[in-house]
Amino acid sequence: GAGVSQSPRYKVTKRGQDVALRCDPISGHVSLYWYRQALGQGPEFLTYFNYEAQQDKSGLPNDRFSAERPEGSISTLTIQRTEQRDSAMYRCASSKLDRLLPTEAFFGQGTRLTVV
Amino acid sequence: QKEVEQDPGPLSVPEGAIVSLNCTYSNSAFQYFMWYRQYSRKGPELLMYTYSSGNKEDGRFTAQVDKSSKYISLFIRDSQPSDSATYLCAMSANGNQFYFGTGTSLTVIP
Repeated sequence: GAGVSQSPRYKVTKRGQDVALRCDPISGHVSLYWYRQALGQGPEFLTYFNYEAQQDKSGLPNDRFSAERPEGSISTLTIQRTEQRDSAMYRCASSKLDRLLPTEAFFGQGTRLTVV
Repeated sequence: QKEVEQDPGPLSVPEGAIVSLNCTYSNSAFQYFMWYRQYSRKGPELLMYTYSSGNKEDGRFTAQVDKSSKYISLFIRDSQPSDSATYLCAMSANGNQFYFGTGTSLTVIP
């Protein structure tokens, strides 16, 4: 596709349910980053991949959060046993490099997750 | 202390005004300094970036970095209603992740 695509655009889930958020990066992009953006806040780093390898998961808030990128393309961020505090916009970014540089970082439109 | 601090505003100015947006940071390892613009319900879009210190100008926009003070600024001259958006500063040391400010909401009134 022309840009980074995320799905679903909106997700409302009940507390305690598991959710899976999908990121489809720009074709051929090497690195993929997940960010979370709470209302009125800037994006906060969660984790990133180079190809299929998860390089840094230090930003994942707790063990309910996990991410994978099994074939080095599409990535899934999974939140188990969702809580209301997980409500936020989840953004994905990709880069053709193995690093995130300003001119080579492209952000998706995000998935708005609401836990009720 | 957060890595990057940014006044969330909101900021409201009349059309044609000069706008000054600022961020401070604590990590002296930051080398890339970026400004993103985010319209409502859209993803962040890169507006300008500076590597290391100094100034950069692009049309009505000027970005300044003062590493000695750990302070960066974005100036918008002759502001237009279309400039109304949230402006996010972001910084990076090695390209492995960006650290964002909270964003400043700007409204330019016609």
